Amino acid sequence: DGGITQSPKYLFRKEGQNVTLSCEQNLNHDAMYWYRQDPGQGLRLIYYSQIVNDFQKGDIAEGYSVSREKKESFPLTVTSAQKNPTAFYLCATAGGVGNTEAFFGQGTRLTVV
Amino acid sequence: AQSVTQPDIHITVSEGASLELRCNYSYGATPYLFWYVQSPGQGLQLLLKYFSGDTLVQGIKGFEAEFKRSQSSFNLRKPSVHWSDAAEYFCAVGAVRTGRRALTFGSGTRLQVQP
Repeated sequence: DGGITQSPKYLFRKEGQNVTLSCEQNLNHDAMYWYRQDPGQGLRLIYYSQIVNDFQKGDIAEGYSVSREKKESFPLTVTSAQKNPTAFYLCATAGGVGNTEAFFGQGTRLTVV
Repeated sequence: AQSVTQPDIHITVSEGASLELRCNYSYGATPYLFWYVQSPGQGLQLLLKYFSGDTLVQGIKGFEAEFKRSQSSFNLRKPSVHWSDAAEYFCAVGAVRTGRRALTFGSGTRLQVQP
């Protein structure tokens, strides 16, 4: 089945811990993205990668890190430096005309306890 | 930089009534425009998209949207709303000419459907 798989669906983090959110795709898309969603704020871009071994900061990259060692995978680490990490995190790939059409995973809800 | 405004945070309509969700964008050239729908706790699903050509585009689930360059708008419409349409709707603009090529999203409109 083609698509984007995010895991886990729910994640709980203690204060001061780093956690890694997984995103895997089998759509053969070059571009991958991480968005953060908070109520009433839409989606904000954290990091993006246009190609393997390359990635760029988005609008709210502070406190996050990523890697892109394989085309299929784009994990996001939420570090202890992120002061307000509780949110819904969405991974997306891009394809279609101009590689601008975004395809989304089902999301990971991260809660700090 | 591109931006998207969805002026209505929350809209309530009766089942069977018509629907229009507003979207205004800011972009220096002809944009790529999208509408996505999100059910609670889920990812986003593409409803429709505009790249070029006919300014009235048809999407899934009976939705359509019209691109109006003069008004910088891309409003979403549906002639008769079903209870299953209750969800959050996001308008997005794609910036083809910048290296980033990531979509910029509006803040969303939450649709509630009354029986």
